Amino acid sequence: AQSVTQPDIHITVSEGASLELRCNYSYGATPYLFWYVQSPGQGLQLLLKYFSGDTLVQGIKGFEAEFKRSQSSFNLRKPSVHWSDAAEYFCAVGARAGGTSYGKLTFGQGTILTVHP
Amino acid sequence: NAGVTQTPKFQVLKTGQSMTLQCAQDMNHEYMSWYRQDPGMGLRLIHYSVGAGITDQGEVPNGYNVSRSTTEDFPLRLLSAAPSQTSVYFCATRQTNYGYTFGSGTRLTVV
Repeated sequence: AQSVTQPDIHITVSEGASLELRCNYSYGATPYLFWYVQSPGQGLQLLLKYFSGDTLVQGIKGFEAEFKRSQSSFNLRKPSVHWSDAAEYFCAVGARAGGTSYGKLTFGQGTILTVHP
Repeated sequence: NAGVTQTPKFQVLKTGQSMTLQCAQDMNHEYMSWYRQDPGMGLRLIHYSVGAGITDQGEVPNGYNVSRSTTEDFPLRLLSAAPSQTSVYFCATRQTNYGYTFGSGTRLTVV
């Protein structure tokens, strides 16, 4: 069964500081990996996704993530955080086409990011 | 192209009442799914469908029914609402070898 762990429930950073949000996944093969962001009372916005190819993925809003197969990780990074980045961030793993798990998206518990001025 | 449309956006039910959460998409995606979001638990899969006439259970299916008579629509039915079903519900579609598109959510309160 696929699963996702986000070890940090809450992270606080100062504006302008760098950010890394951790994500570890469990999946039997090469997964589809996603990062979503959710502002309070809002829906989910896709930041970036990994399907194949280059393991360093660039996303919107200056975010990037690196897929490390050996560590089963897909950590999200940003070199300089802005106050508007304060939100909740979700890592998710999805099964590839075919099989009974196709289409199932499994989410981590989320990491709440607070940005201090 | 509206994407994924969920209605209603907000709903308050009394315990024991029934209702249907609507989800409609205009992207011709085969795969559709329902999730519920609860604080500290992320999003959990309730039911999903890989095409018209085909549905299956997810992680937390109890208390919910679904059907898929058309590609466009995937309604979620609560037969007898319970306070434990107070949550935010999201509908999502997926295109093969692509990503997922989420609706804006339905916030349900059961009193």
